Parts: sequence; C-alpha cells; structure tokens
Amino acid sequence: RKEVEQDPGPFNVPEGATVAFNCTYSNSASQSFFWYRQDCRKEPKLLMSVYSSGNEDGRFTAQLNRASQYISLLIRDSKLSDSATYLCVVTPWSGYALNFGKGTSLLVTP
Amino acid sequence: SQTIHQWPATLVQPVGSPLSLECTVEGTSNPNLYWYRQAAGRGLQLLFYSVGIGQISSEVPQNLSASRPQDRQFILSSKKLLLSDSGFYLCAWSVGTGTGNVNQPQHFGDGTRLSIL
Repeated sequence: RKEVEQDPGPFNVPEGATVAFNCTYSNSASQSFFWYRQDCRKEPKLLMSVYSSGNEDGRFTAQLNRASQYISLLIRDSKLSDSATYLCVVTPWSGYALNFGKGTSLLVTP
Repeated sequence: SQTIHQWPATLVQPVGSPLSLECTVEGTSNPNLYWYRQAAGRGLQLLFYSVGIGQISSEVPQNLSASRPQDRQFILSSKKLLLSDSGFYLCAWSVGTGTGNVNQPQHFGDGTRLSIL
C-alpha cells in the first residue's frame, strides 16, 4: 500500500461549485498533514496545514480523520483560478522524507 | 520574510555531461534543505536533505550528489548525466528543528526543468 493515496481526477467542476478531495495515508504514526497546490509546470505551494480539529482558510476547509487515516480538502465557491493539482502531504514519525501524494487535478470551468 | 532562489530555470544537457544546480535561501538561519525530483506525470521524490553545513543524507542511490558548503546554500551535482535524470528539480527549505522531527511544512523554489538529450 502506498504511503499517501489520492484520486488523481481530474475533477471538472463549474465555477461556484463546491468540491472535495480525500487523501488516505498508511502510517498511523504520521504527525503532521498539509495540502499543497501545484500549478502546471510550477513548484508546489503550501495551501494550508491540517489540524486535528479541522481548520478553515477562506473558501478552503481541511479536515483530519485519524481513526480512518484520511484528510480532506473542501473548496467552496470554486474560482477559475482554483484550477490546479492539489497535493496531500503527510509527515512521518521521524526523519525528513515528507510523503507526497501524486495529486488530484482540479479544473474549474466557466 | 524568507525567500528561496533556485537556478537555472531550465537546462538542456547532453548525456554524460556534468550538472550543477544551485539553491540559496534568505531570511532564515540553519534551515533544513531538500532536493526533490518530479518526473513527468509523477509525484515528488526526495533525493537529498541537509540539516546543517556539510551534513547530507541521501534518500535514493543514484548518480547525483549534493553539497551544502554554506548554511543557506544547497547544490545538486552530477559528474555524468543519464537520460533518466530528466525531470523537474525542486529545492525546498523548512524551519530547522535540529531534533530529527519534520513536522514543518516545506517551501519550494521555482524549480529547474532539466532535459537530457
């Protein structure tokens, strides 16, 4: 089983829609969780950390379910500029090798 | 604020030629530094990381090497490039914890797109 698994998509949604991505991880000892956004042919950029109690940043909401070992990202009121690949990132208990998912592709259409 | 610079942005090299990619970080001291590679259509693969000057750990055995001659400088090198070395190379930094714990997000440079001919 891969360390971090994501549905590659693509998710095609109209502007204004709400879309959610899930990501599962295999190591129950994982400590920290992040969502990154990567535009085509660009570097990944940190979107938000994911906290145990869930957290929100504007139109973006992240949730963590340790029992089921998944994290989620909800995007409300999708904008054209939200089109990108969203990477789920999980840290190990120790060491430096962050575990990146391969990403979920989102395309927001007019 | 912290910034990370990586160059060159693109590079085309013949098979068998050497490689040197440089990355520098500003605005922070003793950061953890990382080199990743992202092959076309694939996820990020950690190649090397460093927690201090002269301290390099390799995640994947290959014909690449890394060096950290200064606190905020990280260099990726190869003596002889292979076709399989093509990809998008990304340098990243995170707050240095010094404890072996990596619960900090990593911040990436703009990347170098390397094509081997």
